[in-house]
Amino acid sequence: ETGVTQTPRHLVMGMTNKKSLKCEQHLGHNAMYWYKQSAKKPLELMFVYNFKEQTENNSVPSRFSPECPNSSHLFLHLHTLQPEDSALYLCASSRGTGEPDTQYFGPGTRLTVL
Amino acid sequence: LAKTTQPISMDSYEGQEVNITCSHNNIATNDYITWYQQFPSQGPRFIIQGYKTKVTNEVASLFIPADRKSSTLSLPRVSLSDTAVYYCLPGSTTSGTYKYIFGTGTRLKVLA
Repeated sequence: ETGVTQTPRHLVMGMTNKKSLKCEQHLGHNAMYWYKQSAKKPLELMFVYNFKEQTENNSVPSRFSPECPNSSHLFLHLHTLQPEDSALYLCASSRGTGEPDTQYFGPGTRLTVL
Repeated sequence: LAKTTQPISMDSYEGQEVNITCSHNNIATNDYITWYQQFPSQGPRFIIQGYKTKVTNEVASLFIPADRKSSTLSLPRVSLSDTAVYYCLPGSTTSGTYKYIFGTGTRLKVLA
């Protein structure tokens, strides 16, 4: 248990569906991250939030829409996804973003797009 | 950002010491070196971090030579539960954000 929870753990959706992934951290951290891990590929950083403000968007397609209402919660809204978006989506948090702080990862959401 | 090279896979036996070396030839002056462990279908977990020389904690040691162009993660007396992927992560601050760039990692398999 890392103090970072993600729901749902598994999600199957069609290309026309709209769904959301939720991440919550109980560590008192100020920074939160979304990563994507496709099969046989390295983790890819998608978004970074610090004190609820987005500080990084790693050229992610607009069909992925993040939301950070407060420092403890992070959402990833999904719409009109493609089958190649099927992957493990990982959330992480850290104290801040300006130093080499340890990032604590959640267990991930396994997303399958049909 | 520094690019890393580490073995794709390694096999070891229970009770042995395992050393995984990572090269990061163009590491920047302000980069730290961090190692993470990942089990299948789980998020990566922090193991150890260092800047130079040697760092030791309860699970591993990290050796970094003076030129910092490589680092070696040492796992003493591995067990079957150490079977995982291990990532070497030099990180650096760009545009005010400290970032880790994950490579493909080293897949360690511990055999009985």
